[in-house]
Amino acid sequence: EIVLTQSPATLSLSPGERATLSCRASQSINRYLAWYQLKPGQAPRLLIYDVSNRATGIPARFTGSGSATDFTLTISSLEPEDFAVYYCHHRQHWPESFGPGTRVDIQ
Amino acid sequence: QLQLQESGPGLVKPSETLSLTCTVSGDSISRSGYYWGWIRQPPGRGLEWIGSIYYSGGTHYNPSLESRVMISADRSKNQFSLKLSSVTAADTAVYYCGREQSGTLMGDCWGRGTLVTVSS
Repeated sequence: EIVLTQSPATLSLSPGERATLSCRASQSINRYLAWYQLKPGQAPRLLIYDVSNRATGIPARFTGSGSATDFTLTISSLEPEDFAVYYCHHRQHWPESFGPGTRVDIQ
Repeated sequence: QLQLQESGPGLVKPSETLSLTCTVSGDSISRSGYYWGWIRQPPGRGLEWIGSIYYSGGTHYNPSLESRVMISADRSKNQFSLKLSSVTAADTAVYYCGREQSGTLMGDCWGRGTLVTVSS
């Protein structure tokens, strides 16, 4: 079973700043890693799939990167609507799992 | 455009069975290469994968829930369902249904979720 850990737990930043979120896997993941944004009362929003591909309609300020066990979501310049909780998610094999999340707060 | 709508009781008593249905529009749950699944988020906590059913009927479950969970599909209604037995307060959560694509995460999409509270 693959366990995902995310860091930091909380990131306090201002609009316009760069956010760097980390996701580490307990075993190597080929490419089946995604990033989601979650806001209260909304559906989880797929941002990045297969490590580095932006989902449909996702702005270019969101970038996914990494390989093997270390993955990163970068938001190049935070917009007000980006303050939310972000989760990484793997489907390398069953069971799938999510990381514990990183909350991006307004400083 | 894919739409997923969760429905079911918002309040379930401890030890009873939680039952939710996901109605799918804009796609067919019989389409080759897709899974249809459930995740949840307890209050103040992160997302947890519950399980999924393949278009052909095979299922996969979270080992921590496997003894209590069952996911089934009604292809005539284009719906799939979740049953979680012997619930406790720890099963209180927002439950989301969604679609997952085999071989890539590109086609993954989730509904807005429904809150289920376990309380007497």
